[in-house]
Amino acid sequence: KQEVTQIPAALSVPEGENLVLNCSFTDSAIYNLQWFRQDPGKGLTSLLLIQSSQREQTSGRLNASLDKSSGRSTLYIAASQPGDSATYLCAVDSSGSSNTGKLIFGQGTTLQVKP
Amino acid sequence: SQTIHQWPATLVQPVGSPLSLECTVEGTSNPNLYWYRQAAGRGLQLLFYSVGIGQISSEVPQNLSASRPQDRQFILSSKKLLLSDSGFYLCAWLPARGPTFGSGTRLTVV
Repeated sequence: KQEVTQIPAALSVPEGENLVLNCSFTDSAIYNLQWFRQDPGKGLTSLLLIQSSQREQTSGRLNASLDKSSGRSTLYIAASQPGDSATYLCAVDSSGSSNTGKLIFGQGTTLQVKP
Repeated sequence: SQTIHQWPATLVQPVGSPLSLECTVEGTSNPNLYWYRQAAGRGLQLLFYSVGIGQISSEVPQNLSASRPQDRQFILSSKKLLLSDSGFYLCAWLPARGPTFGSGTRLTVV
């Protein structure tokens, strides 16, 4: 059974710092891995999606990497801003061979960036 | 454009009352649709998914049911709510770029 773990559960940093959020999964047979952002009381916003054949994806100040063999992904946020404060969720599509949309989520990392 | 709508945004219901949450998708046809729940301290969990009209798969045993009466409509229901049904319910669909989520419904059962 696939399990997804995110470390740390919470993180507080001063504005301008670069930071790394970690995600690990127990079964390497994934189709893709996705990072989401969730603001309090809101739905999920997709940040980056990495297919199982890819090593990383970048969007602006965000960079996500995937090491499928070791069951790990990291989300790197450069030059953090107060507006980055949110909960970041990692999720895997664990079907292995197709895009089922049936995601297994980690518990999330709640980030606070202090001005 | 492709959009997903979910309502209501918040709901407070007494124990034992019925529930109906609705999700609709615009700008696409025959989408895969999903219901997820985010309960306090438990993270997001897939409840149901549907690949077409009348086709529902349940991922976890529970007090809820789902229906898909139309191609772009997905409904989450309960005949009698339990306290444990409280949570944040999210509908999602599956475009090529990956799952896209609605804005969610916060359900509080009192």
